[in-house]
Amino acid sequence: SQQGEEDPQALSIQEGENATMNCSYKTSINNLQWYRQNSGRGLVHLILIRSNEREKHSGRLRVTLDTSKKSSSLLITASRAADTASYFCATDPMLEETSGSRLTFGEGTQLTVNP
Amino acid sequence: GAVVSQHPSRVICKSGTSVKIECRSLDFQATTMFWYRQFPKQSLMLMATSNEGSKATYEQGVEKDKFLINHASLTLSTLTVTSAHPEDSSFYICSAWDITNYGYTFGSGTRLTVV
Repeated sequence: SQQGEEDPQALSIQEGENATMNCSYKTSINNLQWYRQNSGRGLVHLILIRSNEREKHSGRLRVTLDTSKKSSSLLITASRAADTASYFCATDPMLEETSGSRLTFGEGTQLTVNP
Repeated sequence: GAVVSQHPSRVICKSGTSVKIECRSLDFQATTMFWYRQFPKQSLMLMATSNEGSKATYEQGVEKDKFLINHASLTLSTLTVTSAHPEDSSFYICSAWDITNYGYTFGSGTRLTVV
């Protein structure tokens, strides 16, 4: 399967700063999701944005989606050291709503927030 | 929220032996589970889609005789790595679609090391 692309691959910032990660994809989607993964652990779902939505907020997270450009961004405001993790976008074609579909993950951004 | 329990979290096995990984949906029924593999510092790659009561669907390049998937009930899917070799060492993660919460839930992953 083709993977989406994320940039930057790695991002290092100071606590309190904002972090922006971008994701591009190639296929049609029903929704796009962002996940966080701490080193050696499973994935934690952060936020889902549907293809007919342009922006979504959840706490310190802000996600945008531009289906014409096939791109999305994740903004984490007022970052904390605990935000240090890898962040992945995943596109979902949602071919079957009752069972879900195969997600296609981006390459991920490794975020380091320095105290 | 929905929980997928994955066991074991870590396993070390000798080359040539088989290893079974279990994923259970604890508070919802999962007609479909997805199995992913992740190599260090890389993204998740879908290996196969596990369907309750029927054969799994494997992604191109994934050997179905090597990675045996069984989805015997609506809450349990297992992945057996047969005749494991060092190149099978990886992080294996399962996920399930929870239609009630309209989201995917991931297991915590299994770190497999073949020596």
